[in-house]
Amino acid sequence: DAKTTQPNSMESNEEEPVHLPCNHSTISGTDYIHWYRQLPSQGPEYVIHGLTSNVNNRMASLAIAEDRKSSTLILHRATLRDAAVYYCILRGFQKLVFGTGTRLLVSP
Amino acid sequence: KAGVTQTPRYLIKTRGQQVTLSCSPISGHRSVSWYQQTPGQGLQFLFEYFSETQRNKGNFPGRFSGRQFSNSRSEMNVSTLELGDSALYLCASSLAVESDTQYFGPGTRLTVL
Repeated sequence: DAKTTQPNSMESNEEEPVHLPCNHSTISGTDYIHWYRQLPSQGPEYVIHGLTSNVNNRMASLAIAEDRKSSTLILHRATLRDAAVYYCILRGFQKLVFGTGTRLLVSP
Repeated sequence: KAGVTQTPRYLIKTRGQQVTLSCSPISGHRSVSWYQQTPGQGLQFLFEYFSETQRNKGNFPGRFSGRQFSNSRSEMNVSTLELGDSALYLCASSLAVESDTQYFGPGTRLTVL
């Protein structure tokens, strides 16, 4: 089955940048790349999404490879509140693909 | 603007029973998706509805079904419950589909005994 591939877990220190990778080799031309995160005991929340170009918002940046088969979510300065499971999701017409997510651990 | 609401929040059923969960999307949102979350399997996609039509379906058995009403409210039904169906069921709504942000509800915690 098509899916996105993410590392199971990553660790970071507080105030350091974090780069969370995602491989999505099955992406189609019109599929959007979405990132969501789920904090402990909460429902998932939106982080960022993009189609082709790199995207920035107040939470994070999204770097999309030129061939769009991979992307990287960038948290510029990790805080303890960023500790969560991060999901990379492909959304297209009649298509919703995502993997098991990356658990981000942030140490003070 | 009110967020996504799900009812009930908690539910206990026994094996073999059936259950219906309800989701009310954010006003104006026409797309509703359902997810199952378990400690062992993580977040898994069940199905997505847009304007009363099922647009996407995950790899779940036919015991799992859903529908969407003309007011965009959605229900999912699980028949012949099994112990493994114990999970948090999450609903998410969005304006349309591919490019729009999904907003998640708090979930319904289903326990099957």
